[in-house]
Amino acid sequence: QLQLQESGPGLVKPSETLSLTCTVSGGSISSQSYYWVWIRQPPGKGLEWIGSIHYSGSTFYNPSLKSRVTISVDTSKNQFSLKLSSMTAADTALYYCARHPSGGSRWFDPWGQGTLVTVSS
Amino acid sequence: DIQMTQSPSSLSASVGDRVTITCRASQSISSYLNWYQQQPGKAPKLLIYAASSLQSGVPSRFSGRGSGTDFTLTISGLQPEDFATYYCQQSYSNPLTFGGGTKVEIK
Repeated sequence: QLQLQESGPGLVKPSETLSLTCTVSGGSISSQSYYWVWIRQPPGKGLEWIGSIHYSGSTFYNPSLKSRVTISVDTSKNQFSLKLSSMTAADTALYYCARHPSGGSRWFDPWGQGTLVTVSS
Repeated sequence: DIQMTQSPSSLSASVGDRVTITCRASQSISSYLNWYQQQPGKAPKLLIYAASSLQSGVPSRFSGRGSGTDFTLTISGLQPEDFATYYCQQSYSNPLTFGGGTKVEIK
């Protein structure tokens, strides 16, 4: 059964860069059929798609965050990562990693359990 | 960006009730619509994909309908474990966007 697990710091200072990693187990990240995704959810609020990456390195990002986001993949470790620069309090959120099919109706499944990131000095 | 609007934002219902949640897209998205359930403190869980296809392992009391701009999620016979927040999500075009959520509470 495919499982995803986020890891990274729970606290980031304003203006710094957030770095999170998602480790995939129970399956290979090097699948032609899927993209790997980051999604976030501010406390008590809704869901926001951040961006997606294919194992080949192809990426697409939410334009609202594109200038600050980099998503990368490490197939040797079966991991993909998120970097979000110039963090502010508005970036405080639960960050989830997930997977979606490469084409058609791109649904998110499965999801990691999420990791809470707080931006504070 | 395609805006997804859910209604109602919250509702109260009893065990056994039939509940319908609506999701409207700001433009036609064909059947590129997915539904999720999020229980408190947990990650969202996929319920329905491509507007009406039931995800494996999801109880048959959940059903989805619609195409174009108007979609519904129906729970036929609400169970205690169904009290949660439900989100729709469009995958017709980037950026992928979610509705604001519908919280289903116990009456």
